[in-house]
Amino acid sequence: QSALTQPASVSGSPGQAITISCTGTSSDVGGYNFVSWYQQHPGKAPKLMIYDVSNRPSGVSNRFSGSKSDNTASLTISGLQAEDEADYYCSSYTNSNTLVFGGGTKVTVL
Amino acid sequence: QVQLQESGPGLVKPSETLSLTCTVSGDSIRSYYWSWIRQPPGKGLEWIGYIYHSGTTNYNPSLKSRVTMSLDTSRSQFSLKVRSVNAADTAVYYCARDLGIANGPLDYWGQGTLVTVSS
Repeated sequence: QSALTQPASVSGSPGQAITISCTGTSSDVGGYNFVSWYQQHPGKAPKLMIYDVSNRPSGVSNRFSGSKSDNTASLTISGLQAEDEADYYCSSYTNSNTLVFGGGTKVTVL
Repeated sequence: QVQLQESGPGLVKPSETLSLTCTVSGDSIRSYYWSWIRQPPGKGLEWIGYIYHSGTTNYNPSLKSRVTMSLDTSRSQFSLKVRSVNAADTAVYYCARDLGIANGPLDYWGQGTLVTVSS
């Protein structure tokens, strides 16, 4: 299974909105509404931010939102804050009953 | 509060078997699917596989020939074995709970444990 495709880096100024894309195929992202997004700060375990394309777990800020169109999922962070600087990973269920992650995107707050 | 804790040797010799255990507290190990994920230093996440209390497993095709997972409900633990390791298996290994039905999302994670493959 091939990793999902994410941009290596995205940056924005405080208060701005940024969007991270996650491109797969009809065998994963496009075929199921089982896309998740994780935030990972250096030296820490990943934290679930979005699941099932657009659902937020309890306790996650509503500045984080998710969507999907065809084979591409997106994570939008609005009102960018310094604490949002981290690596972000998408994942998707696949038609092989497995999970696949994206390569990760480094978000920099300018 | 659900907690997961990985344990096992931090150093494994090439060609030997890597063995890790994840201890679950705060929830029943019978209620969810449980996954292993790894992250080589400076690189991205790689899903290794999952196990359910029924014994059902599924593994990443790229690792399937070398991986075995097991689960001990009496100890609330599940385990990972990777055979014939090499330097490419050096990584931080995480265990995690699958909130769904083996379809992600992974909502609780252990802190991770670094395993280095070196002679």
